Amino acid sequence: DGGITQSPKYLFRKEGQNVTLSCEQNLNHDAMYWYRQDPGQGLRLIYYSQIVNDFQKGDIAEGYSVSREKKESFPLTVTSAQKNPTAFYLCASSIGVAGFWQFFGPGTRLTVL
Amino acid sequence: SQQGEEDPQALSIQEGENATMNCSYKTSINNLQWYRQNSGRGLVHLILIRSNEREKHSGRLRVTLDTSKKSSSLLITASRAADTASYFCATEPNTGNQFYFGTGTSLTVIP
Repeated sequence: DGGITQSPKYLFRKEGQNVTLSCEQNLNHDAMYWYRQDPGQGLRLIYYSQIVNDFQKGDIAEGYSVSREKKESFPLTVTSAQKNPTAFYLCASSIGVAGFWQFFGPGTRLTVL
Repeated sequence: SQQGEEDPQALSIQEGENATMNCSYKTSINNLQWYRQNSGRGLVHLILIRSNEREKHSGRLRVTLDTSKKSSSLLITASRAADTASYFCATEPNTGNQFYFGTGTSLTVIP
């Protein structure tokens, strides 16, 4: 089955710890994205990548970091510099950045205690 | 913010009725997309309408786009309980490489 997976589904961390969220796709898509969703709100873009070894900041990149070493994988690290990290994180991919719809993973709910 | 705004924020209808939700945005766009999200899940793409299109249909979905008013509407006909979800519009500005998602409409279809 082709798709996009995120793990884990739920993640708990203590304040001050870095945490890495996994995102993998087997759709052969060039572009990948990370979004943050807070309760009752829309999605805000954290980072996106158009191609391997390249990524761009979105609207709320502060306190987050990413890497794109493989086409299939786009992990997101939530660092201790992120002031309010508790949120629902969604990963997505698309054939290209412009003019295509995005396929979303199931999401990871991060709770910082 | 370039984020779109959906209206209404919440909508509750009886099964079989039609549901209409609207999206307004601020900048010129290449295309506008509608997505659906069930509670606690990822988003699912419903329909994409390009800036040179005015109306598009997919099954029970009908989307319109008015670029002069910078607005779009999503109509779901003959709604079902399974249509209960949040619906988001996303715009792709013609000046950038990212989408901007609206704040969503929460639809409840009562059986």
